[in-house]
Amino acid sequence: SYELTQPLSMSVALGQTARITCGGNKIGSKNVHWYQQKPGQAPVLVIYRDSNRPSGIPERFSGSNSGNTATLTISRAQAGDEADYYCQVWDSSTVVFGGGTKVTVL
Amino acid sequence: QLVESGGGVVQPGRSLRLSCAASGFTFSRYTMHWVRQAPGKGLEWVAIISYDGSDKYYADSVKGRFTISRDDSKNTLYLQMNSLRAEDTAVYYCARESDVYTIRGEFDYWGQGTLVTVSS
Repeated sequence: SYELTQPLSMSVALGQTARITCGGNKIGSKNVHWYQQKPGQAPVLVIYRDSNRPSGIPERFSGSNSGNTATLTISRAQAGDEADYYCQVWDSSTVVFGGGTKVTVL
Repeated sequence: QLVESGGGVVQPGRSLRLSCAASGFTFSRYTMHWVRQAPGKGLEWVAIISYDGSDKYYADSVKGRFTISRDDSKNTLYLQMNSLRAEDTAVYYCARESDVYTIRGEFDYWGQGTLVTVSS
């Protein structure tokens, strides 16, 4: 079965840039989606199909996908960006989530 | 809007049925999913049912025990869970596919979840 690998945690200084990676075999050939989840809340889609932002998501959130790595970039990080972030793909008629990355804004 | 219900405490080996009431969109046009999250853990996809109900897929961890279904006349999604185990303890979310008449595992709306606790 397909696997997605994310770092467990990372920290970013207020106003700086965070880059969250999602590794998978030839992930560049798949559509990758990213979700933000804050404590006690349902996940929210922040990037779909590699690099598209849903309406209402700040331009500070961007995505890329190539080779074996997809990346979610959060520019000018704010305190409100502190959350868990999950990458996700569709593979062989199943949904696969990465393990999630906890982002702390310092 | 998606509103889950039916969660609660259940003994191992027993059954439970979850519901997800949809409103504000044409339910019959959308593929729907169940996703769960064990306490303090990450997201785990559970099952999918296509917009027309013809395709259903399950995670290996629930295959043969859980059944996903839908009633478009009631705008409701269901998850029948049988032979429950302690490891099924989780918050269960229903989620909607982003586009109509598609199956590609991309969720734009989620419910707030319902907690299922399997314990004796």
